Amino acid sequence: ETGVTQSPTHLIKTRGQQVTLRCSSQSGHNTVSWYQQALGQGPQFIFQYYREEENGRGNFPPRFSGLQFPNYSSELNVNALELDDSALYLCASSFPQETQYFGPGTRLLVL
Amino acid sequence: DAKTTQPNSMESNEEEPVHLPCNHSTISGTDYIHWYRQLPSQGPEYVIHGLTSNVNNRMASLAIAEDRKSSTLILHRATLRDAAVYYCILRDHFMGGSNYKLTFGKGTLLTVNP
Repeated sequence: ETGVTQSPTHLIKTRGQQVTLRCSSQSGHNTVSWYQQALGQGPQFIFQYYREEENGRGNFPPRFSGLQFPNYSSELNVNALELDDSALYLCASSFPQETQYFGPGTRLLVL
Repeated sequence: DAKTTQPNSMESNEEEPVHLPCNHSTISGTDYIHWYRQLPSQGPEYVIHGLTSNVNNRMASLAIAEDRKSSTLILHRATLRDAAVYYCILRDHFMGGSNYKLTFGKGTLLTVNP
């Protein structure tokens, strides 16, 4: 059984650019949650997708958006990048009400 | 969001038991208590969770106080590979109820000495 995978592992962008991060969920999991982890902090919830619909959102601006595909993989898009968007971006997959399993993350650096 | 309080750091010796405490005085009756850990440069790893009764699995044990206002994660014999940040989390349900988000604090940095 394949675990949660994320791509790319590292990324460098400049302010104002746009970025797309990808997540493949663990086999069969239909729910994907995205989290942002700044250096020295715990992960913060961005949003969640369940069966291709956004199912809940944390305190992040609309320039953070996402998609979930029929195979339950997911994308996180961030527009108009700011320096403070530099962080580790984590996705977690699960079934509803069951344990969330995290991927290794994508480290984004905004210059 | 329900909140948890953990010590910033703890230290242990290899092959000794470790008791990681967590206070959650505002816990509601339906909040599950989850523990995750995060090794350096990795995503969080699920450790254990429980609601009311003590729980055991191959990684750890979770002892939950009778009033549920605190819990303790127990690593029975710490190894160097257990050095990580340990997060105690109360699961927050969404509107619609079937899914939830995890609200992380800063966790406890566990150092294991050889």
